[in-house]
Amino acid sequence: GAGVSQTPSNKVTEKGKYVELRCDPISGHTALYWYRQSLGQGPEFLIYFQGTGAADDSGLPNDRFFAVRPEGSVSTLKIQRTERGDSAVYLCASSLGPTSYNEQFFGPGTRLTVL
Amino acid sequence: GIQVEQSPPDLILQEGANSTLRCNFSDSVNNLQWFHQNPWGQLINLFYIPSGTKQNGRLSATTVATERYSLLYISSSQTTDSGVYFCAGVNRDDKIIFGKGTRLHILP
Repeated sequence: GAGVSQTPSNKVTEKGKYVELRCDPISGHTALYWYRQSLGQGPEFLIYFQGTGAADDSGLPNDRFFAVRPEGSVSTLKIQRTERGDSAVYLCASSLGPTSYNEQFFGPGTRLTVL
Repeated sequence: GIQVEQSPPDLILQEGANSTLRCNFSDSVNNLQWFHQNPWGQLINLFYIPSGTKQNGRLSATTVATERYSLLYISSSQTTDSGVYFCAGVNRDDKIIFGKGTRLHILP
């Protein structure tokens, strides 16, 4: 079946604008994760959904970042009033269930550039 | 939270050489995965290995959970093995923590 997909693959925006990044997990995967990867670093956890609810949003850097998963499948990461420091690759991953017991699969990422 | 340390940070090898990448974690993890990030940024699953040894072609991995480390072995390296290798551990809160990666460059 299809893997995790993310759109857009690239997004260039201006400082202060609002952006939405979309993640479509593997069908049947109840757990969904968002990460941010800066150049030369490993991915950093942002938020974890189990079903429709955010089980852990402790990695969101501030209140400009928000994510939803209204029907327990597709998720959208929303960033308000973007800043140049938000530039990074945003990765989404999904797993059958909690990742303590399940393998996690990643999408190709969205490269966000804030000018 | 747990810390995940990978070594070496960088590795340059001639094609055909073997290599061992190491991942140490500061506390017990429920799970461990190895990934290869290709030049296009895609994270490719290599091993899901909370404990024991697994092999897949030229690659194998061993996790010794009681001693808090995992090893990734690459034999007969090929140029397509180049990229960044990440290990990631899962803590008690189901949060996956990545190391900073090992950058592998295989010379033809």
